[in-house]
Amino acid sequence: KAGVTQTPRYLIKTRGQQVTLSCSPISGHRSVSWYQQTPGQGLQFLFEYFSETQRNKGNFPGRFSGRQFSNSRSEMNVSTLELGDSALYLCASSSGGETQYFGPGTRLLVL
Amino acid sequence: AQSVTQLGSHVSVSEGALVLLRCNYSSSVPPYLFWYVQYPNQGLQLLLKYTSAATLVKGINGFEAEFKKSETSFHLTKPSAHMSDAAEYFCAVSGGTGANNLFFGTGTRLTVIP
Repeated sequence: KAGVTQTPRYLIKTRGQQVTLSCSPISGHRSVSWYQQTPGQGLQFLFEYFSETQRNKGNFPGRFSGRQFSNSRSEMNVSTLELGDSALYLCASSSGGETQYFGPGTRLLVL
Repeated sequence: AQSVTQLGSHVSVSEGALVLLRCNYSSSVPPYLFWYVQYPNQGLQLLLKYTSAATLVKGINGFEAEFKKSETSFHLTKPSAHMSDAAEYFCAVSGGTGANNLFFGTGTRLTVIP
């Protein structure tokens, strides 16, 4: 089976812009979770989608949002970008059990 | 609430020596525990997981971890380090039954000295 894929892999944006990241889970997986990784804060959970519904949410401002489509693909959107949003954004998929499989990440740089 | 603490942000070992990376957890429910490895410019790869079955868990690449409830620990070990083991290692605990979010430790960077 193909692994989790994320696009784009690298992205450069300026402050105030918005960005959309995409994640395609492992075939058959219905749960998609998003994490932010920064040198200062480490790995932090953003949110999880299961069957097109947000099932769990971390402690991030409303500028961070997501959605999941009927084919389980997920997108994450960040509006009004700030310098502190520069990070590696990781997507993970799960069949609904406890084990999550991660994609390679999207590295976002905000200038 | 769930959390993990990784002792030692950097660990250096000689090639062929024992690798020991420490992780202690805190959980209000029976925990599911994980070790992930991250190579430069890559995502996280699952090494092994504990899900309340055997307390000694074997993973990929010769790694194993032992769940010790009395010590709230889940340390990662490998008998003989290889150069290819140099990476960052993360311990994580799940958010609890029905929750599919992970709480990660701050990571331990492993350096292997030839």
